[in-house]
Amino acid sequence: QVQLVQSGAEVKKPGASVNVSCKPSGYIFPGYYIHWVRQAPGQGLEWMGWINPDSGGIKYAQNFQGRVTMTRDTSISTFYMELRRLKSDDTAIYYCATDTWNEWHFDIWGRGTLVTVSS
Amino acid sequence: QSALTQPPSASGSPGQSVTISCTGTSSDVGSYNYVSWYQLHPGKAPKLMIFGVSKRPSGVPDRFSGSKSDNTASLTVSGLQAEDEADYYCASYAGSKLLFGGGTKLTVL
Repeated sequence: QVQLVQSGAEVKKPGASVNVSCKPSGYIFPGYYIHWVRQAPGQGLEWMGWINPDSGGIKYAQNFQGRVTMTRDTSISTFYMELRRLKSDDTAIYYCATDTWNEWHFDIWGRGTLVTVSS
Repeated sequence: QSALTQPPSASGSPGQSVTISCTGTSSDVGSYNYVSWYQLHPGKAPKLMIFGVSKRPSGVPDRFSGSKSDNTASLTVSGLQAEDEADYYCASYAGSKLLFGGGTKLTVL
């Protein structure tokens, strides 16, 4: 089965930006949206938004509007999530996931990228 | 504060059944059959256990089942096994966005 391979852990200072990448290990149908979800320490899962791999169309959760950008590089089949103006409570594991049914559930997940925001 | 409400904990002995609830509103759980459940073990990627309210992905034991009534969805784990001990999260489509529950820690006694 296809896996989603994410970039490694990051440590950032407050106010900085972080860019997390997500690359399928094999072919994923271009119509399967890539979603981003995060989990802060001791907290629950939080949906951040999705990108349409085919068109590049995006939808962001309201909580992240203005701070997040999701992009893709079709030449290397890689997806990116940039979060700006980082705060300490952005410390979390960031996951990419795909919905191969396009029914708002995630059947393939990356292993997560830990982003630590600390001065 | 999560949009969907789950009990923080649940427990049962091996072989028993346990049900975890997930309460939303008429704008999410009550309006759509896009309810899913995820199992999280520490250090591992989340695993899809139930989708479309009651469908099981290939490879998920039939001990796991899902249902929905009005604004509340439920995950039932029958014949509890030690490896079922994990955190479980529900999720629901809510009209161009996805909401998660706060998670339930399932302990196998």
